[in-house]
Amino acid sequence: NAGVMQNPRHLVRRRGQEARLRCSPMKGHSHVYWYRQLPEEGLKFMVYLQKENIIDESGMPKERFSAEFPKEGPSILRIQQVVRGDSAAYFCASSPDFQGTEAFFGQGTRLTVV
Amino acid sequence: ELKVEQNPLFLSMQEGKNYTIYCNYSTTSDRLYWYRQDPGKSLESLFVLLSNGAVKQEGRLMASLDTKARLSTLHITAAVHDLSATYFCAVDIPNTDKLIFGTGTRLQVFP
Repeated sequence: NAGVMQNPRHLVRRRGQEARLRCSPMKGHSHVYWYRQLPEEGLKFMVYLQKENIIDESGMPKERFSAEFPKEGPSILRIQQVVRGDSAAYFCASSPDFQGTEAFFGQGTRLTVV
Repeated sequence: ELKVEQNPLFLSMQEGKNYTIYCNYSTTSDRLYWYRQDPGKSLESLFVLLSNGAVKQEGRLMASLDTKARLSTLHITAAVHDLSATYFCAVDIPNTDKLIFGTGTRLQVFP
């Protein structure tokens, strides 16, 4: 059973470009969480999704950021018109169908905006 | 707003010594996690603590939870270089699956 898979592992974008980060949850997991880690800081919650639904996006910036988890395929975190401040590590975690179980983290995508 | 504070932020210790990392949180929580992160890597789950008085041990690491004091500790016994990493505690917000992370403790163990 493969773990949570994120790609790409490293992503370089110029200011103003779009960044797309992908997350494939563990097999059998239908809950996905995205977290952002700025350099030298802890992880900050961004968004919680279940298949085709956004459950909690209270940590998402109001502009330029969006997330989806379609019925088929990976979850996508999309950042439009990236700025230098978006440079960070973005981690995805997944958990099974029922609440109260531990989430497992992927390897992360390190976004660098130049 | 739930806040999670760790101390110390940085810890440099000699091999063979013991030390404790502290994690304080501001409101009630159902679960507390300890993670390890190596530079450029993902988070490795170390412990999940579910109830008051819970104590778990794995090798040279031991974690405990006091829900009344809203305090968890990660105790390191006879440190070795391989333990050098950043350690995070995280608590979940009740009735959600959202985790709030502490600021992390960067541990460096030297000979």
